[in-house]
Formats: sequence, C-alpha cells, structure tokens
Amino acid sequence: NAGVTQTPKFRILKIGQSMTLQCTQDMNHNYMYWYRQDPGMGLKLIYYSVGAGITDKGEVPNGYNVSRSTTEDFPLRLELAAPSQTSVYFCASSYIRSDRRRGANYGYTFGSGTRLTVV
Amino acid sequence: DAKTTQPPSMDCAEGRAANLPCNHSTISGNEYVYWYRQIHSQGPQYIIHGLKNNETNEMASLIITEDRKSSTLILPHATLRDTAVYYCIVIGGGDDKIIFGKGTRLHILP
Repeated sequence: NAGVTQTPKFRILKIGQSMTLQCTQDMNHNYMYWYRQDPGMGLKLIYYSVGAGITDKGEVPNGYNVSRSTTEDFPLRLELAAPSQTSVYFCASSYIRSDRRRGANYGYTFGSGTRLTVV
Repeated sequence: DAKTTQPPSMDCAEGRAANLPCNHSTISGNEYVYWYRQIHSQGPQYIIHGLKNNETNEMASLIITEDRKSSTLILPHATLRDTAVYYCIVIGGGDDKIIFGKGTRLHILP
C-alpha cells in the first residue's frame, strides 16, 4: 500500500500559469479532500469528494477546480496562478462512515504535500 | 468554524507525560473526537479517536469526560519527536469533512 501519493512535491509557477496537482490513493477510500496550508497557518479545506463523479466546495474553493472520474484519483487544477496561491497543498482520503471498524487505524490519511510557489 | 477549543501552545519536559486538553462543549451524541498531529511540513497524522469511552493505542491515550464536553490526549513518555501541532477535531452527523482549527503547538523540552 502506497497510501496517498501526491505529485509533484515542489513547483514554481509564474503568475497566470496553470497546473494540475495530482493525488491518487490505493486504499479504495470513497472520500477524498484537498487542503492548503499557508506558512505558519492551519489547514483550510479547498474541495472534497464523497465518491466518483461527486465534488463539493470547502472553505476556500476560489481559484481552483477539481474532478473525480475514478475512486483513486482526485486532481486539483489551478487555472490562473496568483501569488496568493503560494502554499503547501495536502491531499487526503478517508473511509465512508459505515465501513469503519473499531480497532483499525481508520480516519483520514494524508499525502506528503505539494509545495507551490507562485512568482 | 471549528467545534473545538485548544490552548495555542504547551511545553512538556522530555520523558514526562504530555497532557493536551480540548474543549468541545457543543458535541452531539453521534460525533466522535479525533486527534491528529502535524510534524513540521509533513501531512497530518492520525493519532486516536473516541466516542465516549477512554481509548488507548500504541501512540497515546484519550480520556473523554463523562459529559463528553472535553477530552485530554495523553502522550505517556514524550520525546523530542513528539514536537508538533496537535489538532482535536469533532466529526460526525453525516458530514465527513474535517475542518481544522488552530491546534496546540507542543514543544518538548530536552
């Protein structure tokens, strides 16, 4: 099990460029999430998905788009990069509620993050 | 808004027990208390969770008060590697997205 894999780990973008942050999980989790974390701050939810074909906005969705065509993948798209999007981006996945078992290490599994700088 | 209140920072001597408090006075009957931690620049890591009974695993213990309005995460023998931001989170009610608060920054002192 690789868990949650994010690529790339680092990226520098120029203002106005676009890019896609990749996230894939191999745990057959239905729920997936994207968070951003600005320097010295807490995590903010950008978008999340409760299953393939379903996405919802989180706390800070402006400037981002997501899609969920498969259970495994949940890419995050930045269309017109701005300096305010300089941040570390974390992807996470989770079981649905009814699959949870006491004693198992369940809950959310996070990726190792993508550090994005927009200049 | 986050449903929990935690102190912004705490210190603990290495080798001693670290006791991290969390208030969740508006918790409802079907909501769980989860604890995560984030070591510098890494993704958050699951520690433990509970509903109403005390819980223990290889990382920590979770003590939940009888009225469920507060809880304490206990790291029994803190090491320097436990220096991190610790998040107490309430999850339930059919909504499985985590909204993170500011957490407690735990400093382990050598």
